[in-house]
Amino acid sequence: QVQLAQSGAEVKKPGASVRVSCKASGYPFTRYGITWVRQAPGQGLEWMGWINGYNGDTRYAQKLQDRVTMTTDSSTSTAYMEVRSLTSGDTAIYYCARWASGYCSSTSCPLSGYWGQGTLVTVSS
Amino acid sequence: NFILTQPHSVSDSPGKTVTISCTRSSGGIASAYVQWYQQRPGSVPTTIIYEDKERLSGVPDRFSGSIDRSSNSASLTISGLKTEDEADYYCQSHDDNDWIFGGGTKLTVL
Repeated sequence: QVQLAQSGAEVKKPGASVRVSCKASGYPFTRYGITWVRQAPGQGLEWMGWINGYNGDTRYAQKLQDRVTMTTDSSTSTAYMEVRSLTSGDTAIYYCARWASGYCSSTSCPLSGYWGQGTLVTVSS
Repeated sequence: NFILTQPHSVSDSPGKTVTISCTRSSGGIASAYVQWYQQRPGSVPTTIIYEDKERLSGVPDRFSGSIDRSSNSASLTISGLKTEDEADYYCQSHDDNDWIFGGGTKLTVL
């Protein structure tokens, strides 16, 4: 069955970087892309960006594009999301989610029901 | 970017029908597809509706999505409410290459 297994919780100091992994199984990794979404404590959902599992194309949220990098390693079916120059405002649960199909456009990018379990990133001095 | 405005909370009794609205502040609601996500307390979000009205496989047909151009809004309707439907619901759409989420609506099933 399809699973997305994320890496464990992280505690980082302001100014540091964090990399969260999302290991996929149960489907052809390069056939679908991965979207990353985060949720600050007690807050709503925030889109961070996506990466196409086939060709590595990426799109990042405008407010994060200078600090975020998304990559994949098809040999291990793993997607990675790195955030640099962390501040307390980056404290959140980070989720990966698989696309519902192989395409993503500027007006449609359906997500499947397959989401990772979430990774809590805490930024604190 | 535009804003998607949702009611902060809605509530109703088991068996009833509830509708959650999602109003787009600028630009046409039909200019980009709308998705809906459900997040039960303490759980991971999950997709329930995509491309305005399509139910994800396995989602009960009690859940339906629609858009209304006259009010520039999307709606999620849940019929035959069950206690298990108690959750936060988020709408989401696209602004060029950015994704926009609504602030979320807490559904309480009394």
